[in-house]
Amino acid sequence: DIQMTQSPSTLSASVRDRVTITCRASQSISSWLAWYQQKPGKAPKLLIYDASSLESGVPSRFSGSGSGTEFTLTISSLQPDDFATYYCQQYNTYPYTFGQGTKLEIK
Amino acid sequence: QVQLVESGGGLVRPGGSLRLSCAASGFAFSDYYMGWIRQAPGKGLEWVSYIDGTGRIIYYTDSLKGRFTISRDNAKNSLYLQMNSLRAEDTAVYSCARAPRGFGDYWGQGTLVTVSS
Repeated sequence: DIQMTQSPSTLSASVRDRVTITCRASQSISSWLAWYQQKPGKAPKLLIYDASSLESGVPSRFSGSGSGTEFTLTISSLQPDDFATYYCQQYNTYPYTFGQGTKLEIK
Repeated sequence: QVQLVESGGGLVRPGGSLRLSCAASGFAFSDYYMGWIRQAPGKGLEWVSYIDGTGRIIYYTDSLKGRFTISRDNAKNSLYLQMNSLRAEDTAVYSCARAPRGFGDYWGQGTLVTVSS
C-alpha cells in the first residue's frame, strides 16, 4: 500500500497567516492527490484534486502543488472558518490511502 | 443538489453483521464510481471499498476482503455495504462518497457502527 505522511500533525497559526501543509507519498503517485478539510462532526469537504485543481466553490486562498511524492496545501491568508483538520489522499493506486491529518489550531 | 444519506448503523455484537445503505439523489447515480470510507472515533480516514457504475469493478482494502461486500442498485439509486464477522476495530462512522476518479467530491454525513458486547 502507498503510505501518505503529512506534516506537521498540528499547526498553530493566526488569522491572516499564510500556512503550508506537506504530504509525502511512499512512492510516486503522479498528480493523483486530493486535499480535504474536515470539521468536528462533519463530513470531509473536497478542496483540491489532481494535486492543484481547485474544487468549485472553494475559496481561492486555498492552493495545492506538487507531483511525484511531495505535495503541499497552502492557505494564503487564514480565515476563522479555516481552523479544521486537513487530510491528503492518493488515488493513484487502490487501496486509496489518506494521510494521518493535520489539525490547524488557532494560536 | 447532490445528496447522500447513509443508514443502517447501530450497535452490534462481535461476530455479528450489519448492512449499510446509502441513498443517492441529485445526480445520475449509475454514471459514477462510489465508495465507502470509515473513520474510527478520534482517528483518521480509511477507504473501505470502491465500486464502478456498473457494479462490475470492485476494490476492497486488503484487511477487509472476505468480510465486507459492496454492491449497488442503480434502479434504486442506492449503494450498500454488507459487513460480516464484525470486530471491535470495525467501530467507526461509515460514510459513502461519490468518487468520480478516486476522490470523494460529495460525502454523506455517515452512520455510526459500534461493535461491542
